[in-house]
Amino acid sequence: GDSVTQMEGPVTLSEEAFLTINCTYTATGYPSLFWYVQYPGEGLQLLLKATKADDKGSNKGFEATYRKETTSFHLEKGSVQVSDSAVYFCALSIFGNQFYFGTGTSLTVIP
Amino acid sequence: NAGVTQTPKFRVLKTGQSMTLLCAQDMNHEYMYWYRQDPGMGLRLIHYSVGEGTTAKGEVPDGYNVSRLKKQNFLLGLESAAPSQTSVYFCASSYSRLAGAETQYFGPGTRLLVL
Repeated sequence: GDSVTQMEGPVTLSEEAFLTINCTYTATGYPSLFWYVQYPGEGLQLLLKATKADDKGSNKGFEATYRKETTSFHLEKGSVQVSDSAVYFCALSIFGNQFYFGTGTSLTVIP
Repeated sequence: NAGVTQTPKFRVLKTGQSMTLLCAQDMNHEYMYWYRQDPGMGLRLIHYSVGEGTTAKGEVPDGYNVSRLKKQNFLLGLESAAPSQTSVYFCASSYSRLAGAETQYFGPGTRLLVL
């Protein structure tokens, strides 16, 4: 079945470090891919998305490229800030029928 | 725009009690969803609705019922609460299921504790 697997956390980085959170997917069709972010005590917010192969989603310095050949959608940021501390969820949607979320990766950035 | 709002924010129930969680959206979205979030399990879809008057089961529907009498509201009911239903519940909505327009917008969540 359709699913998303993302790297387990928690991840702790120093401010200005490089961030990668891995996400791979299994899908029977051609999914849209998403990264959501959840700040403490809040709901999920869309961070970025890509709807077809080779698309790059970007927002707030975060980037992810839809790689069909490796079925991946890894999240990257060149220089993290303390304010980036949150839980990050990778997700896929096929025809919008249902979203499949990963288990979430907790990121803590220390000054 | 308030976006997606949820009521209540926090609730404690005793086993066997019933309650209704309310979700409201002011974005004129057709699609609405209820998820539960448990540690280490991400989000799991409980029920969803593709329009006013319609509902469908998601991944974990047992023990829950839903209703969508008005386009802007999606209610989640627990008829007889069980400790296994202790969780954080999120409502979400989306404009369309078409690729590129299926982004889901989430409410702030309802934390439910069943004793």
